[in-house]
Amino acid sequence: DAGVIQSPRHEVTEMGQEVTLRCKPISGHDYLFWYRQTMMRGLELLIYFNNNVPIDDSGMPEDRFSAKMPNASFSTLKIQPSEPRDSAVYFCASSRLAGYNEQFFGPGTRLTVL
Amino acid sequence: QQQVKQSPQSLIVQKGGISIINCAYENTAFDYFPWYQQFPGKGPALLIAIRPDVSEKKEGRFTISFNKSAKQFSLHIMDSQPGDSATYFCAALLRDSGNTGKLIFGQGTTLQVKP
Repeated sequence: DAGVIQSPRHEVTEMGQEVTLRCKPISGHDYLFWYRQTMMRGLELLIYFNNNVPIDDSGMPEDRFSAKMPNASFSTLKIQPSEPRDSAVYFCASSRLAGYNEQFFGPGTRLTVL
Repeated sequence: QQQVKQSPQSLIVQKGGISIINCAYENTAFDYFPWYQQFPGKGPALLIAIRPDVSEKKEGRFTISFNKSAKQFSLHIMDSQPGDSATYFCAALLRDSGNTGKLIFGQGTTLQVKP
């Protein structure tokens, strides 16, 4: 299995632009998580899905952020409009349904908003 | 109450020494405590995990000690090696109605093992 796939790996954009981050979870995993990592705030959970349904979006910082999971093999995290303080590494992770489940993280997308 | 507090922020250990990282929590609803290891440019990866009904779990050179009454747990790395140099995150699982939930991560500890 290729593991969790994220694209792009790096994104540089200007303030005010729309940014879309993409994630393909591991096949057969029922849960998908979006995290943001910064030096100041560490690793923060933004939102997670179970069987494509958002379960908890309490970590989404504001309305500029939105996430979708149209099917079991694809999810997007969109920021519109982007701001410099959104600069961070964004990780996607997935896990199976049953038991005490390991979350498998993707390689991350490093976002820089100028 | 959903926080997991991790210390120290950074740690320097000589090769062969013992690395100790500590975490504390308040929420008694947490019921699974994993440790993740992250190398530069990579996503975190599960290192070792423990359930609260166990006081210690050992896997090779890595040991988790868990003190339920004190709401504290720690990671011990024995015979630390330069290849162990990474950032370590403790975490706690807040379960949803299913069989998983969301992980609350500590702030991370950057470990450097000197040759």
